Amino acid sequence: GENVEQHPSTLSVQEGDSAVIKCTYSDSASNYFPWYKQELGKGPQLIIDIRSNVGEKKDQRIAVTLNKTAKHFSLHITETQPEDSAVYFCAASKGGSYIPTFGRGTSLIVHP
Amino acid sequence: NAGVTQTPKFQVLKTGQSMTLQCAQDMNHEYMSWYRQDPGMGLRLIHYSVGAGITDQGEVPNGYNVSRSTTEDFPLRLLSAAPSQTSVYFCASSYGTSRDTQYFGPGTRLTVL
Repeated sequence: GENVEQHPSTLSVQEGDSAVIKCTYSDSASNYFPWYKQELGKGPQLIIDIRSNVGEKKDQRIAVTLNKTAKHFSLHITETQPEDSAVYFCAASKGGSYIPTFGRGTSLIVHP
Repeated sequence: NAGVTQTPKFQVLKTGQSMTLQCAQDMNHEYMSWYRQDPGMGLRLIHYSVGAGITDQGEVPNGYNVSRSTTEDFPLRLLSAAPSQTSVYFCASSYGTSRDTQYFGPGTRLTVL
């Protein structure tokens, strides 16, 4: 089955810096890669996703890049703010699968 | 829409007790799933369902039972609670496939003494 590895497990940055979280996947058939943000005491919530027919997608301060050849994808957050502090999960899935496979999560801490 | 709701929010059990975690969604989603979240382990899939009457095991199913009698509800049963089941449990639903957005509930924090 699919295996998704996520790094780093913890990321500490100063407000205004950029943050990058990286994930690799094992199944070359995977073609959908969402990112979820989990704020303290809440369930994860989708923030951005990318499909295998595109290499990059942006939404204001967040962007996701995908390298299908290397089987890795990354989340980029620019101009970080304290409210970006949360746990971020990447995931991967493919057609015919029922449930996406999640990475282990990255705890992002943005210091004011 | 209320989205995905879970009850209770917190629960303390003694070893050997049984209980049911409730999950309901009002979005007419076909797919529902249960995850447990432990420090450093991310989200691990316990059981999932692709429609009423259909369930299957995930990565960590031992000690848990599920059933799906209606589209809206997907309860998770702990038959004989063990300290290893101390965790935060999340229910999620999605419209149809693994490439649709997963909507998560607020979670149930369970402690087994």
